[in-house]
Amino acid sequence: DVKVTQSSRYLVKRTGEKVFLECVQDMDHENMFWYRQDPGLGLRLIYFSYDVKMKEKGDIPEGYSVSREKKERFSLILESASTNQTSMYLCASSLFAGLNQPQHFGDGTRLSIL
Amino acid sequence: AQSVTQLGSHVSVSEGALVLLRCNYSSSVPPYLFWYVQYPNQGLQLLLKYTTGATLVKGINGFEAEFKKSETSFHLTKPSAHMSDAAEYFCAVSVGGTSYDKVIFGPGTSLSVIP
Repeated sequence: DVKVTQSSRYLVKRTGEKVFLECVQDMDHENMFWYRQDPGLGLRLIYFSYDVKMKEKGDIPEGYSVSREKKERFSLILESASTNQTSMYLCASSLFAGLNQPQHFGDGTRLSIL
Repeated sequence: AQSVTQLGSHVSVSEGALVLLRCNYSSSVPPYLFWYVQYPNQGLQLLLKYTTGATLVKGINGFEAEFKKSETSFHLTKPSAHMSDAAEYFCAVSVGGTSYDKVIFGPGTSLSVIP
């Protein structure tokens, strides 16, 4: 089974801090994704990566950046955290590019910005 | 623009009753469709997917969904609800884009199962 591991389940940070969320997958998947999940809004794509050092903006990239130095690891960075970034963050991976490829999700990081 | 709607943000059923969760999509091209389930404090898991071929798709845990092109629907059903089915369910459509292929998720339906 594919395992996607997010480094923290719960995180509390202060406004203005630089925040790092880490995600690791163990199945040599090419694609990795970062979503945020808010009640009533479903999942919204922040960034994704289809290869090492490659990244593409999703629907809501403002205030975020990402890093993918190794194939198995994809990091989400909040450059200067703000209260409106309090949310559940989900990392996902898929084997390769393709419309029929399902995504495999981590358990999420619930981030609170005070 | 492509979109996914799920009728009913919250659905309650009695244990043993039929589960019906509705999903409608809009897409200008034939879509790939997915249902995911999210149990409390967990990430999403794939329940089933429709790509091509048979329009009735069977998934895990006794769930199935039928792709109806004429109705642009992909409703999820299970004949008999179990307490363990209580979770959040997300319908998703996979579409091609100008710069990347993306998955659009619906807002989710929370399923409660009453003993």
